[in-house]
Amino acid sequence: SAVISQKPSRDICQRGTSLTIQCQVDSQVTMMFWYRQQPGQSLTLIATANQGSEATYESGFVIDKFPISRPNLTFSTLTVSNMSPEDSSIYLCSASSGTEAFFGQGTRLTVV
Amino acid sequence: GIQVEQSPPDLILQEGANSTLRCNFSDSVNNLQWFHQNPWGQLINLFYIPSGTKQNGRLSATTVATERYSLLYISSSQTTDSGVYFCAVAGFYGGSQGNLIFGKGTKLSVKP
Repeated sequence: SAVISQKPSRDICQRGTSLTIQCQVDSQVTMMFWYRQQPGQSLTLIATANQGSEATYESGFVIDKFPISRPNLTFSTLTVSNMSPEDSSIYLCSASSGTEAFFGQGTRLTVV
Repeated sequence: GIQVEQSPPDLILQEGANSTLRCNFSDSVNNLQWFHQNPWGQLINLFYIPSGTKQNGRLSATTVATERYSLLYISSSQTTDSGVYFCAVAGFYGGSQGNLIFGKGTKLSVKP
């Protein structure tokens, strides 16, 4: 199994600002993903973080709004840019090596 | 893409009761996982079960891949079992191999 550390665990941000969320895995993994969970909803995939290349975004998510980096096999960041109250959600990092997927504890973001 | 349906959406139990949660999916999958999301938003891995049956204490799960459904059994429920239970699957095809598609969840409340 993989242990995933995600930080910050929560934050309250002003609209128009940006927040970068970090995700550290305790072992090398093949795949890393970022998900969003809006209040009272299920999880939706934002993008697949590709090591050394641009992330692959799902429909409805764009790089300018959610830039993602993955400089190596154990670390990734997600930035939520130019935030609005509609971005208030839980953001979760996930890692997998092709079988079972594991999740970080999530970042609870509130935009005011 | 694959559709994932969970039932029931809400479930209220008295402590000590047993329950069965169901997950139907619309296509063949190479990954199926059950998660418990606690009140703080953290996703806890319960089972990685693309097929077959597994048991872990009071919890067990069965996936019948040929009929495209999975069941999660909770026996002798406790108040700490409260939360949202998610079923998530990954298909064999698609641009983002390995990423999970989540159902809408079953919200379980166990009353003392």
